[in-house]
Amino acid sequence: QTVVTQEPSFSVSPGGTVTLTCGLSSGSVSTDYFPSWYQQAPGQAPRTLIYSTNTRSSGVPDRFSGSILGNKAALTITGAQADDESEYYCVLYMGNGIWVFGGGTKLTVL
Amino acid sequence: QVHLVQSAAEVKKPGSSVRISCKASGGTFRNFAFSWVRQAPGQGLEWMGGIIPVFGTTNYAQRFQGRVTITAAEPTSTAYMELSSLRSEDTAVYFCARTPVEWLILRQYFDYWGQGTLVTVSS
Repeated sequence: QTVVTQEPSFSVSPGGTVTLTCGLSSGSVSTDYFPSWYQQAPGQAPRTLIYSTNTRSSGVPDRFSGSILGNKAALTITGAQADDESEYYCVLYMGNGIWVFGGGTKLTVL
Repeated sequence: QVHLVQSAAEVKKPGSSVRISCKASGGTFRNFAFSWVRQAPGQGLEWMGGIIPVFGTTNYAQRFQGRVTITAAEPTSTAYMELSSLRSEDTAVYFCARTPVEWLILRQYFDYWGQGTLVTVSS
């Protein structure tokens, strides 16, 4: 069974930079998995941030960026703001219309 | 403007079934696929399955195979998810999510989400 791994939690200072990662329990994440990232505030529906590794969704500020770092997908937030405090989910596309979510990273801005 | 509007919250007995709808607007229905993602209380998001209306195909996560049925009605631009043999662990918020289909190729991400439907399973 495919397990997508994310840091359970992370903290960043206001104005700081943080990189969240997304890996696989076995194997490496590459662009072939078309990693995407979603932000979810408490009690809200998810919001699409990044798709196809590094393409920002419409309206997403450019301080959010996606990449592949080593064998993982990465979401970098530059100049963190208070309202970036949310849960962040990585999703990998497995092909044949199947997706797998990571467990999510709870980001605290303090 | 894109909207995915889901049906209202449901309370169900263990062993019963629930059917949730997701009405899409702001695009041609057959140009999109629709997935269902659930979130148990205090837990993360979990992909359950999806449908690609233009192909008439469905795909399901292994752990839901046999219990979930996803359908779509193009005339009403509505996707449905039915989950059977409900148990208390199925208590969750269920989201629908849209994926573009471009040139008959399924894109690999979700671009818009419904507001979520809370399903409570309790005796």
